[in-house]
Amino acid sequence: GESVGLHLPTLSVQEGDNSIINCAYSNSASDYFIWYKQESGKGPQFIIDIRSNMDKRQGQRVTVLLNKTVKHLSLQIAATQPGDSAVYFCAENNSGGSYIPTFGRGTSLIVHP
Amino acid sequence: DVKVTQSSRYLVKRTGEKVFLECVQDMDHENMFWYRQDPGLGLRLIYFSYDVKMKEKGDIPEGYSVSREKKERFSLILESASTNQTSMYLCASRPRGSGNTIYFGEGSWLTVV
Repeated sequence: GESVGLHLPTLSVQEGDNSIINCAYSNSASDYFIWYKQESGKGPQFIIDIRSNMDKRQGQRVTVLLNKTVKHLSLQIAATQPGDSAVYFCAENNSGGSYIPTFGRGTSLIVHP
Repeated sequence: DVKVTQSSRYLVKRTGEKVFLECVQDMDHENMFWYRQDPGLGLRLIYFSYDVKMKEKGDIPEGYSVSREKKERFSLILESASTNQTSMYLCASRPRGSGNTIYFGEGSWLTVV
């Protein structure tokens, strides 16, 4: 799970490295998952989603992996760039149950040039 | 592209004032949401609406009300602003069905003095 408190978990990487951001979700009935990117002072932007009948989905430079056995979601960013610096958070939804998604607290990604 | 527009990006209001935060979406989405986002606390749901003239309380509705008279517009109202309502407010919308992506606006920064 994510840490409690004022400070977000932080991942620092060098430009060009691959980044992996992790998220543990809570509801085994969740069947839809989304990753968002939030830059400072802006609203969250959709990056990629995955449904529970898949374990991997790829986008442009991003890959989401889903491990339902351990209720774990990860976002991989290839060749990380300074423009990728932001807070990333996951959301889970149970389309057959709760109407409202649950959001994680987020991880701050810092990319050093 | 989905567009969720929050008309006021930055507001400064006095304690006790009535505050209106307006949100408009242009994708004919049935569902709309208001969240507040505070450091260390993540996204907290204030109210949501699953269609016109419908509203449901979220996790922290106290001190807030909402209005959804038209499908495209969802307003958040602070009847009597207090300093503990200083926050970033995020509006979001989604097509009908809980297995769909939520799209966020750019946020409204409210400071109550």
